[in-house]
Amino acid sequence: AQSVTQPDIHITVSEGASLELRCNYSYGATPYLFWYVQSPGQGLQLLLKYFSGDTLVQGIKGFEAEFKRSQSSFNLRKPSVHWSDAAEYFCAVGSFGNEKLTFGTGTRLTIIP
Amino acid sequence: DSGVTQTPKHLITATGQRVTLRCSPRSGDLSVYWYQQSLDQGLQFLIQYYNGEERAKGNILERFSAQQFPDLHSELNLSSLELGDSALYFCASSVAGMGYEQYFGPGTRLTVT
Repeated sequence: AQSVTQPDIHITVSEGASLELRCNYSYGATPYLFWYVQSPGQGLQLLLKYFSGDTLVQGIKGFEAEFKRSQSSFNLRKPSVHWSDAAEYFCAVGSFGNEKLTFGTGTRLTIIP
Repeated sequence: DSGVTQTPKHLITATGQRVTLRCSPRSGDLSVYWYQQSLDQGLQFLIQYYNGEERAKGNILERFSAQQFPDLHSELNLSSLELGDSALYFCASSVAGMGYEQYFGPGTRLTVT
């Protein structure tokens, strides 16, 4: 069964600092990997996705993520965070032929001035 | 705005009751997914419909059912409600199945008292 682990429940960073959110997945086949962001009271917005090809993927709002098969990881990064990035971030895994998206438990990001 | 609409936004009802949540997918999307988000279970995939037919099933209780109509809108029916059913229910849509981005609606917050 596929699973996703986001080891950090809550992260606090200063505005302008760099950010890395961790995501580890468990899946036997080639995974499809996603990062979603959820602002308070809002639905989920897709930041970026990896299906195949270049293992470094660029997303919206200046985010990027790198797929590392050997480490079963898909960490999300941003070089300089903005106060508006404060939200909950979810990593998710799926695969071709398996319609079920499995989500991690989320990482809540707090930005301090 | 993802283009996915969900009604109602909030719903408060009593235990034992039955409710219907409605979702309209983005124009052109054939797949509709339902998810439940709760504090103790996180984000859980419930069920997927593709062009009117059930495609995949997740952790959906027998008290819950869904359908997708010819105009592609979908309804999630929750019956014999229990306190533990209180959660945010999200609908997402995609062009087809896995391999395509899922766009999430704003959610329906269900409170069972």
